[in-house]
Amino acid sequence: SQQGEEDPQALSIQEGENATMNCSYKTSINNLQWYRQNSGRGLVHLILIRSNEREKHSGRLRVTLDTSKKSSSLLITASRAADTASYFCATPHHGGGGADGLTFGKGTHLIIQP
Amino acid sequence: DVKVTQSSRYLVKRTGEKVFLECVQDMDHENMFWYRQDPGLGLRLIYFSYDVKMKEKGDIPEGYSVSREKKERFSLILESASTNQTSMYLCASSLRPGQGSPGYTFGSGTRLTVV
Repeated sequence: SQQGEEDPQALSIQEGENATMNCSYKTSINNLQWYRQNSGRGLVHLILIRSNEREKHSGRLRVTLDTSKKSSSLLITASRAADTASYFCATPHHGGGGADGLTFGKGTHLIIQP
Repeated sequence: DVKVTQSSRYLVKRTGEKVFLECVQDMDHENMFWYRQDPGLGLRLIYFSYDVKMKEKGDIPEGYSVSREKKERFSLILESASTNQTSMYLCASSLRPGQGSPGYTFGSGTRLTVV
């Protein structure tokens, strides 16, 4: 059951620019999470936004959530070469808290050009 | 530094072998998960466990089984490995809902090749 889908599939920008990735999902959720995966490694949890929140910040990351449109966006400001990675949104299976699994999108592959 | 440790980074096994993938977490998390990741298909949930000796099927459990005899350890078993089980396997753990952030902590992954 693929719930979250990221857009675009791939994004290449210059170092210092901002990167925006979008995620759409299908059913009601109580939270949405974003993860980063460096090539060939495990995923790292970046940020979680709850359904009653519209925007959340963590360092250079800004996440928005629009439950009426069932969409979220991840903005990385002042990008660095180290931000090169794949980024995934994830929503709880069956809209719950996530104890029965998260459904991941296929990811946005971000390349930061030096 | 809290972590999820997967016993092997790379593994090569023969068709028909019984394969054990081990995962250990040191965060006292109740929930543990096994995913596989394939190009074009993303991450797919194989099995999960919300307590010792408890296990639940995920989206693609066929050909796999799991064992959780201790809270910190969650093993994935390929009963008879096949070439279509060649994949990256990712273990994760999380707190029970209401105990804190439900974000998952992932291991570094095991890249399994079945020949």
